[in-house]
Amino acid sequence: KQEVTQIPAALSVPEGENLVLNCSFTDSAIYNLQWFRQDPGKGLTSLLLIQSSQREQTSGRLNASLDKSSGRSTLYIAASQPGDSATYLCAVYNQGGKLIFGQGTELSVKP
Amino acid sequence: EAEVAQSPRYKITEKSQAVAFWCDPISGHATLYWYRQILGQGPELLVQFQDESVVDDSQLPKDRFSAERLKGVDSTLKIQPAELGDSAMYLCASSPGQGKETQYFGPGTRLLVL
Repeated sequence: KQEVTQIPAALSVPEGENLVLNCSFTDSAIYNLQWFRQDPGKGLTSLLLIQSSQREQTSGRLNASLDKSSGRSTLYIAASQPGDSATYLCAVYNQGGKLIFGQGTELSVKP
Repeated sequence: EAEVAQSPRYKITEKSQAVAFWCDPISGHATLYWYRQILGQGPELLVQFQDESVVDDSQLPKDRFSAERLKGVDSTLKIQPAELGDSAMYLCASSPGQGKETQYFGPGTRLLVL
């Protein structure tokens, strides 16, 4: 059974810092991996989708990497801003197309 | 930009009452999903539709939950009777094809059962 773990559960950083969020999964036979952002009480916004054949994806200040063999992904946020404060969720698509989520990392960026 | 619509956004109900949530996916999206997200956890799939057919409802508590997508477009998720443990965010998502593409999520319905 696929399990997705995100560390840390919560993170607080000062504005301007670069930071890394970690995601690990137990079964390397994944189809895709996706990072989402969730603001308090709101739905999910897709940030980056990495296909299983890719190593990384970039969007603006965000860079996500994927290492299937080790079952790991990282989300790198450069020059963090208070507006980046949210919960970040990692999710993997298994071969059947089912999306399995981690529990999320709650990020707080202090001005 | 097309979005997934959900209503209501918030619902407060008493235990043993019936409650229903509605979802309208992005136009043309064949696959529709209902997820439940308990506070502090990631979403978990309750049911997946491909057009009007159920593809996966293995995690749906069928004694009290039901879902339908009669015309293959919008969908309704019902809980009867609601229990205290059903308090959660209920998220709807859709994707264009067979379910391995990016899923687009709606704003969710936050349910509180008293």
